[in-house]
Amino acid sequence: GNSVTQMEGPVTLSEEAFLTINCTYTATGYPSLFWYVQYPGEGLQLLLKATKADDKGSNKGFEATYRKETTSFHLEKGSVQVSDSAVYFCALSDMGDYKLSFGAGTTVTVRA
Amino acid sequence: EPEVTQTPSHQVTQMGQEVILRCVPISNHLYFYWYRQILGQKVEFLVSFYNNEISEKSEIFDDQFSVERPDGSNFTLKIRSTKLEDSAMYFCASRPPATEKLFFGSGTQLSVL
Repeated sequence: GNSVTQMEGPVTLSEEAFLTINCTYTATGYPSLFWYVQYPGEGLQLLLKATKADDKGSNKGFEATYRKETTSFHLEKGSVQVSDSAVYFCALSDMGDYKLSFGAGTTVTVRA
Repeated sequence: EPEVTQTPSHQVTQMGQEVILRCVPISNHLYFYWYRQILGQKVEFLVSFYNNEISEKSEIFDDQFSVERPDGSNFTLKIRSTKLEDSAMYFCASRPPATEKLFFGSGTQLSVL
């Protein structure tokens, strides 16, 4: 079956630091990969996605590249801000059912 | 931007009681989902719903659970007889056709005592 493993948190950083959250997956088919973000008191929001190998998703300074050879989709941001404090979820879906399989989430706190 | 709305944000109930969690999906969306996250664990798929019937359900979604779209706008999750292990954050989501992007509500934190 499909599964997602992501780096456990919590992660605490200073403003302008580099952020990486590791995510690896197991899937039977050719999944689409996602990063969702949950800001305090809000729902999960799609941050970025990639639908095939070597695609790079990017949004709000965040990037992640779909690496089929390492079954990974690591999230990176070069210079974080306090407003990036949130819980980040890696997820995948198989084409055809759109059902998401999530990782456990990584709590990121950015301090000024 | 349109939002998925969930109510209540927090629900406390006694073990054995019935609870109904409510969701208002985005109006032109056709596919609806419930997920849950037990504290410290992964977000888990419970059920998907389309065209007034369940499309798929996980093994978590046993006979104690049911979903309904009673009036064309609300989408509800009912737990008939709550157990302690049902304590979790429950997320509703919806999506329009032909897209993988799910829109999530902010969740209902259910605490079973």
